[in-house]
Amino acid sequence: DAGVIQSPRHEVTEMGQEVTLRCKLISGHNSLFWYRQTMMRGLELLIYFNNNVPIDDSGMPEDRFSAKMPNASFSTLKIQPSEPRDSAVYFCASSTDRAVGELFFGEGSRLTVL
Amino acid sequence: KNEVEQSPQNLTAQEGEFITINCSYSVGISALHWLQQHPGGGIVSLFMLSSGKKKHGRLIATINIQEKHSSLHITASHPRDSAVYICAVDPDKLIFGTGTRLQVFP
Repeated sequence: DAGVIQSPRHEVTEMGQEVTLRCKLISGHNSLFWYRQTMMRGLELLIYFNNNVPIDDSGMPEDRFSAKMPNASFSTLKIQPSEPRDSAVYFCASSTDRAVGELFFGEGSRLTVL
Repeated sequence: KNEVEQSPQNLTAQEGEFITINCSYSVGISALHWLQQHPGGGIVSLFMLSSGKKKHGRLIATINIQEKHSSLHITASHPRDSAVYICAVDPDKLIFGTGTRLQVFP
């Protein structure tokens, strides 16, 4: 298996533009997590899905952020409109079970909003 | 006070030294994870613990549920072990420590 695949790896955009980050889970995994990492705040959970259903989105910063899981193997994280403070590395991770599963991380998407 | 505290924040060692990184937490958990983040940014899960001790190669992780404390040990450290080590606890969603930056010099 290729592991968790994220795209794009790097994105530079201007303030106000829409950003879409993508994540493909490992086959057979049923939990998906979106994290954000910044120098100031470290790693933070944004949202997680279990069996395609959003379970906890309390970490999503505000209405500009939305995440979807249209099928069991794919998820998107959208920021619209983007702001410079959204600049961070966004990680996607999957596991076989939310509570006790080992996490497998993607390589991350580094977002820079100018 | 952070719910997950790691110490030390930064650690330097000579190749071959025994390394210990500590993690204390203040919430009830179902599992604790140790993660490794290399300078390139990728994150790898090293261990997931709910009790006792686990060993993988030169890495050993222990957890004491009563004391709410976990340690990650690296025996015979090597420069390739240089990375940030992150402790994360799982009450109902992952809460991360701020990480311990380890540098091992030849």
